[in-house]
Amino acid sequence: EPEVTQTPSHQVTQMGQEVILRCVPISNHLYFYWYRQILGQKVEFLVSFYNNEISEKSEIFDDQFSVERPDGSNFTLKIRSTKLEDSAMYFCASKQGPNNEQFFGPGTRLTVL
Amino acid sequence: KNEVEQSPQNLTAQEGEFITINCSYSVGISALHWLQQHPGGGIVSLFMLSSGKKKHGRLIATINIQEKHSSLHITASHPRDSAVYICAVRWNSGGSNYKLTFGKGTLLTVNP
Repeated sequence: EPEVTQTPSHQVTQMGQEVILRCVPISNHLYFYWYRQILGQKVEFLVSFYNNEISEKSEIFDDQFSVERPDGSNFTLKIRSTKLEDSAMYFCASKQGPNNEQFFGPGTRLTVL
Repeated sequence: KNEVEQSPQNLTAQEGEFITINCSYSVGISALHWLQQHPGGGIVSLFMLSSGKKKHGRLIATINIQEKHSSLHITASHPRDSAVYICAVRWNSGGSNYKLTFGKGTLLTVNP
């Protein structure tokens, strides 16, 4: 069964460093999302991406964040200069059409020291 | 602000018991998801529904659109059902992005 994959599963970085989190959505899906979950808190929406552009972003998704779909298969989230408060689990999700179910990747645990 | 509320926050049951987890939301939605999150952190989609009832194995999800309420039921619960169960909704006013708004989750522990 097709699934969303994410790499790495765990990333440790120093404050101020850039990180790139990678996702491979399900191949025929057209809508892509990043969510994050700070430890002990609920999952929060970061950004949605459709037709090669951002369709919505939350207030969390400031200038330090960017997303890209560089090659038609990968979907990446870049954090330019990480802060301690960026430590969280980051989930990628994708779906085929507007009314279809979202499928989630296993997540990347980001730890900023 | 549009909100998703879940109850209870924590639930402990004995193996074999019938479990109900509730979700209520503040305004109209186009779809509601029930998700399962295990201690390792990964999220698995259980159901997406916009009306009525869905069943998969021992899991049943119902939704009442007029009352803005959904329930997730687990029949004959088992220790392997222990997880966090999360309700997430897609608002009617959400526009083309179709993002989800999540509840805080219900931590279910099923003891043998």
